Amino acid sequence: AIRMTQSPSSFSASTGDRVTITCRASQDIGSYLAWYQQKPGKAPKLLIYAASTLQSGVPSRFSGIGSGTDFTLTISCLQSEDFATYYCQQYYNYPRTFGQGTKVEIK
Amino acid sequence: EVQLVESGGGLVQPGGSLRLSCAASGFIFSDHYIDWVRQAPGKGLEWVGRIRNKANGYTTEYAASVKGRFTISRDDSKNSLYLQMNSLKTDDTAVYYCARGPNSVSTHDAFDIWGQGTMVTVSS
Repeated sequence: AIRMTQSPSSFSASTGDRVTITCRASQDIGSYLAWYQQKPGKAPKLLIYAASTLQSGVPSRFSGIGSGTDFTLTISCLQSEDFATYYCQQYYNYPRTFGQGTKVEIK
Repeated sequence: EVQLVESGGGLVQPGGSLRLSCAASGFIFSDHYIDWVRQAPGKGLEWVGRIRNKANGYTTEYAASVKGRFTISRDDSKNSLYLQMNSLKTDDTAVYYCARGPNSVSTHDAFDIWGQGTMVTVSS
């Protein structure tokens, strides 16, 4: 199975900050990568697919870049509603696998 | 409104069985692949399995951790998805989500619609 490793696992940030989360795949997955946001007690929400394509309705402050094994999710100006846990997921092959998650907390 | 609604969770003893359901509305259910994803308490997301659409033979894929114990099926006439879970273990304790995968015109294979989840607790 492809291992997805996110970093950091958690960090604190302030509203207005620019934040970046990294996801590394254990093998080349092309651009077959999605990013999800999950808030406590809620289902995950798709933010980005194909590594860099913003899902409809997702604010433009979210962006993704990368291909192959290294990917990043950037939030350009952190808003209060963005404090959540973020997961990357590969859909290059089966089994689908997720990163362990990155929790963005309020500083 | 496009939505998925899971049901059927509950408390079951180790070795027992449980059947989860996922009811779809607001979109053409029969066109889409549908997946199950679970999340143990305080842990991350784990993909469980997938069922493809009729055009792709209703074929299935499973995570190694559930293969041979869990079975995914669907009834397109009822816009419903099922997860039959047998030989349950304490490690299967989790919130189980159904999630919408692609259809024939999708440009990606991410999960764009998720249900609210149903809790399964395996404990004696």
